[in-house]
Amino acid sequence: QKEVEQDPGPLSVPEGAIVSLNCTYSNSAFQYFMWYRQYSRKGPELLMYTYSSGNKEDGRFTAQVDKSSKYISLFIRDSQPSDSATYLCAMSAVGGGADGLTFGKGTHLIIQP
Amino acid sequence: DAGITQSPRHKVTETGTPVTLRCHQTENHRYMYWYRQDPGHGLRLIHYSYGVKDTDKGEVSDGYSVSRSKTEDFLLTLESATSSQTSVYFCASLAGNEQFFGPGTRLTVL
Repeated sequence: QKEVEQDPGPLSVPEGAIVSLNCTYSNSAFQYFMWYRQYSRKGPELLMYTYSSGNKEDGRFTAQVDKSSKYISLFIRDSQPSDSATYLCAMSAVGGGADGLTFGKGTHLIIQP
Repeated sequence: DAGITQSPRHKVTETGTPVTLRCHQTENHRYMYWYRQDPGHGLRLIHYSYGVKDTDKGEVSDGYSVSRSKTEDFLLTLESATSSQTSVYFCASLAGNEQFFGPGTRLTVL
C-alpha cells in the first residue's frame, strides 16, 4: 500500500460547482499537509499549507485535515475554468517538508465552462 | 517565485550515457530537492540537500547521484542512463514552509 492514496480522476464538473478533492495516508508521523496545483507542463505551485488537524480557508479554497481518520480534503467553491489543473496532495513529518515531501499521484480536475 | 531555473529543459539521450541536470536558484535557499514525476506515481523524492556539500537520499535514489558545491546550484547526475529513468525531473528549494518548484526537465532515455 502506497503511503498516500489519491484518486487520479479525471474529475469533470461544471463551472460554479463545489469541488471536493481528497487524499488518505497511512503514516501517522505526518503532521504537515499541503495542496499543490500543477498546470500542464509546469511545476507545482503551493495552494494550501496546514499543520495537524483542522480547517484552513483562503479565498475560494478550504483545506481540511482529519488526522484521526488519516484523511485530508481540499474544497474549491465557485469553480472556474482556470481551476482546471492537476491537484497534488503532499505531506511530511517535518515542517515545510525539509527532508522531502511525500506526494499523492494527483487528481486531474476539469471545469467545464 | 524563488527564481529557480533548470537546464536543460528537454533532453534525449541513449541508454548507458551519463547525464547531468542542473538546478539554479537565486534566493540563497539552504534546502534544495530533486523529484521525478511519472504517470501513476506522482512526484517522488530522489535526493535533497541541506547545505553546501550536505546531501541525503530520498525514496528513489538508486542510479542517481547529486552534488552541491555552491548554495545556488544543485546537480543531478545519472551515471549510466536507463530507459526506466525516462521521466520529468523537478527541482525545488525551500523558503519558510514552502517548496518552490522549477519548470522541470523532460528526459527521454532511448
